Amino acid sequence: GAGVSQSPRYKVAKRGQDVALRCDPISGHVSLFWYQQALGQGPEFLTYFQNEAQLDKSGLPSDRFFAERPEGSVSTLKIQRTQQEDSAVYLCASSSLKLDRSQYFGPGTRLTVL
Amino acid sequence: AQSVTQPDIHITVSEGASLELRCNYSYGATPYLFWYVQSPGQGLQLLLKYFSGDTLVQGIKGFEAEFKRSQSSFNLRKPSVHWSDAAEYFCAVGLSYNTDKLIFGTGTRLQVFP
Repeated sequence: GAGVSQSPRYKVAKRGQDVALRCDPISGHVSLFWYQQALGQGPEFLTYFQNEAQLDKSGLPSDRFFAERPEGSVSTLKIQRTQQEDSAVYLCASSSLKLDRSQYFGPGTRLTVL
Repeated sequence: AQSVTQPDIHITVSEGASLELRCNYSYGATPYLFWYVQSPGQGLQLLLKYFSGDTLVQGIKGFEAEFKRSQSSFNLRKPSVHWSDAAEYFCAVGLSYNTDKLIFGTGTRLQVFP
């Protein structure tokens, strides 16, 4: 079946603009994760959903970052008033509570804030 | 605090040579351990995982890893490297079977010479 998809793949924003990043998880996967990967670094956890419930948002760096998954499937990560330090690759992953719970990642969205 | 250390930032090997990538973790409870590979511009692909049981785990593409609790290590190995193995490799620890949040190392970049 289809893997995790993310859109857009690339996004350029001017500082101060709002952006919205979309994630389509693997069909049937209950868990959904967002990670931020800065250049030359490993991914860092942002937030976690189980169905539509956001169970962990401890990694969100500021209140400018907001994530939602209203119907327990597609998720959107929104960044308000973007700043240069927000430039990174944003990775989405999904996993199944019924199987091995390994996380499967999408290709990521590369955000560049000018 | 929980952490993952990948001591080698960059490794270069000849095609056909053996490979070992090191990973050490710091976590008080039983860890859930993963190795992912990332090619340029791509998301993360799961190579293998350890949840419990046999400490030597086999993965895709001929990779294996061994969990050594006494050394807090989960090193990745491959007996004969192929040029297509050139990529960035990330070790990760799952903090809790319920939370599923992953903590990643900073990665090891593998270069393969013909």
